[in-house]
Amino acid sequence: SQQGEEDPQALSIQEGENATMNCSYKTSINNLQWYRQNSGRGLVHLILIRSNEREKHSGRLRVTLDTSKKSSSLLITASRAADTASYFCATDAANSGGGADGLTFGKGTHLIIQP
Amino acid sequence: GAGVSQSPRYKVTKRGQDVTLRCDPISSHATLYWYQQALGQGPEFLTYFNYEAQPDKSGLPSDRFSAERPEGSISTLTIQRTEQRDSAMYRCASSTVAGGFGELFFGEGSRLTVL
Repeated sequence: SQQGEEDPQALSIQEGENATMNCSYKTSINNLQWYRQNSGRGLVHLILIRSNEREKHSGRLRVTLDTSKKSSSLLITASRAADTASYFCATDAANSGGGADGLTFGKGTHLIIQP
Repeated sequence: GAGVSQSPRYKVTKRGQDVTLRCDPISSHATLYWYQQALGQGPEFLTYFNYEAQPDKSGLPSDRFSAERPEGSISTLTIQRTEQRDSAMYRCASSTVAGGFGELFFGEGSRLTVL
C-alpha cells in the first residue's frame, strides 16, 4: 500500500513558471524524501527533509514539511523543459527500524513543462 | 560499480515460467531494496537486505517471490510460476545507510512482461 499521496496527479505549466506539488501522508515519519523519474527511467533522489525540519532548499528546489498536517510541498522555481518528469514523495515511517517496510512512495505527480 | 545495475532490462516470459532478475548495487552500499512499480504508480516495497541478512520480506506479494543476497553484494529476485499480474517494472535500489534510512540510489529497472 502507498502511504503518500501527491497532488495534483498531473500538472502542465509554461517554461519559466514555478511548479508546486503537494504530498500528504498518514503516519508519523522520521523523514520525507522527494524523487524524480524521467519517462521509463530510474528514480533520482532530489532532497530529504527530516521530521524536525520545516523547510529545505537545494538549487531551484524548495521543500516544506508540516508534520502537524502530515503534508509536504515541493516547489520548483523557474521551471525548464528538462524538469518534465514524474515526482514522488517517499516517507520513512517513524515506527520502522533498520529500513523495515522500506520507503513508502506515493503515486506521483506528472509534471509537464511547455516550452 | 559506478551505479546500480540491473539485468535483464526487459524480460518476456510465458505464464507458469520462473524468472530471475539480478541487481548489482553500488559496491560500498550495505543496504539493498527491491521494489515493484506498476505503470503510472509509485514503487511498492518488496523486500530489503542489510548486507546478506534479509530482515524484512513483508512486501513480497506471495510465496512465489523470493530474493537472495548470499555474499552481501549482488542480489537476485526470483518469481516462480509467473502470472500475468506479475507484469511490472522491478526496481532495485541501494543505500549507504545500514540500520537507518537515507537516500536510495535506483537502477534502471527490469521490465517483466508475462504473457
